Amino acid sequence: QSALTQPPSVSGSPGQSVTISCTGTSSDVGRYDRVSWYQKTPGTAPKLMIYDVSNRPSGVPDRFSGSKSGNTASLTISGLQAEDEGDYYCCSHTRKSTLVFGGGTKLTVL
Amino acid sequence: EVQLVESGGGLAQPGRSLRLSCSASGFTFDDYGMHWVRQAPGKGLEWVSGISWNSGNIVYADSVKGRFTISRDNAKNSLYLQMNSLRPEDMALYYCVKDIHGSAAGDGFDIWGQGTLVTVSS
Repeated sequence: QSALTQPPSVSGSPGQSVTISCTGTSSDVGRYDRVSWYQKTPGTAPKLMIYDVSNRPSGVPDRFSGSKSGNTASLTISGLQAEDEGDYYCCSHTRKSTLVFGGGTKLTVL
Repeated sequence: EVQLVESGGGLAQPGRSLRLSCSASGFTFDDYGMHWVRQAPGKGLEWVSGISWNSGNIVYADSVKGRFTISRDNAKNSLYLQMNSLRPEDMALYYCVKDIHGSAAGDGFDIWGQGTLVTVSS
C-alpha cells in the first residue's frame, strides 16, 4: 500500500488560511469517508484533529476543517496561529481493510 | 485520566523477537478498537496493525504481515504486539493507539501513548 500523497511543506502568516491536500486512490480516499488528520509536534504524540473526513473531536478549534473531493481530502486551517506549527498527517481506510498514512506536511507559520 | 502506556521496547538483533505491551486506563477498554502505529527516525507515521474490541477483526500492514501478531486482553486492559523476525527497517517509535470506535476500521485515533522505542541492530 503506497502512502497517500501530501505536499512536503506549506506556510502562511498569522491570520491567513492554509490548505493541506491528501491524495489517494479510488481504493482508499475516494472509496471511504474515513479520512482523519493528525497534528504532530516534536517530542509529543500525534493529536487527532479531524475524523471521518470532516468531524472535529471535542477540544479542536473550529478553525480546523476537513473536506473531500474524489480521491483528494483536504485540511484547511483558518485564522492561522503560531501554535498551529507542526507536521500534519492524513490517514485513510483502504479497500484491503488496512490503513494508510500520508507522508506528512510541515506547516510553518511565518 | 485517559492514558495509554507502552512498554517492552529495546534493542534486538535482526531476526530476533520483541513483545510490546500497552496498558490502558481511564476508559472502557473493551469498547474500542486498538492499533499500533510506528514512526521511524526522521520518517512519517506508519500504521502497523489493528484489532477490534472483541478481537474478531485483526488487520496488518503488508510490511509486517506474517511476522507481527497483535492481541489484547480485555480483562487486563492491555494490548500487545509480538514482533518476530525483526528487520532493521522495523526500528521505530511504536505508539499504542485507541480507535474512536469499536471496530479496527481506524476512523480516527483519539488517544495515543507516548511510544516505546524499538531498535534493531547487530
